[in-house]
Amino acid sequence: DAGVIQSPRHEVTEMGQEVTLRCKPISGHDYLFWYRQTMMRGLELLIYFNNNVPIDDSGMPEDRFSAKMPNASFSTLKIQPSEPRDSAVYFCASSPGQRYGYTFGSGTRLTVV
Amino acid sequence: GENVEQHPSTLSVQEGDSAVIKCTYSDSASNYFPWYKQELGKGPQLIIDIRSNVGEKKDQRIAVTLNKTAKHFSLHITETQPEDSAVYFCAASNGFQKLVFGTGTRLLVSP
Repeated sequence: DAGVIQSPRHEVTEMGQEVTLRCKPISGHDYLFWYRQTMMRGLELLIYFNNNVPIDDSGMPEDRFSAKMPNASFSTLKIQPSEPRDSAVYFCASSPGQRYGYTFGSGTRLTVV
Repeated sequence: GENVEQHPSTLSVQEGDSAVIKCTYSDSASNYFPWYKQELGKGPQLIIDIRSNVGEKKDQRIAVTLNKTAKHFSLHITETQPEDSAVYFCAASNGFQKLVFGTGTRLLVSP
């Protein structure tokens, strides 16, 4: 298996622009998680899905952030409009269940200027 | 909800020494405790995990111990090597809720 695949690896955008991050989980994993990592706040869970349904989005910072999972093999995290404080590394992870560890992707480093 | 505390935040050792990272958790119902290693520019990678029905688990140079009574668990790395330098995260889950991560320990192994 190729693991969790995220794209793009790096994204530089101007403040106010829309940003879309993409994730392909491991086949057969029913859970998908979106995390944000910064030096100041560490690893923050933004939202997670079970069988394509959002279960907990309490970590989503504000209405500018939205996430979708239209099918079992694809998810997006969208930021509109983007702001400099959104600059971070965004990770997607998947898991076969809550009793198992997560497999993380390589992350998307987002820089908003 | 669950709260996981991790210590120390940074740890420097000489190559060949042992390193120990400790975590405490608050939810007595937690029963799954994984450890992750994150190297520079990469995502966290699961290196070992333990469930509450065992007290210790080993995999070559790494081991994890669990004390359910005290609600703490530890990662032990023996004979450290420079390639062990990374950030290590502990986490806890009760099997029905999401994993809760610690704040991370930056381990530096000097040659």
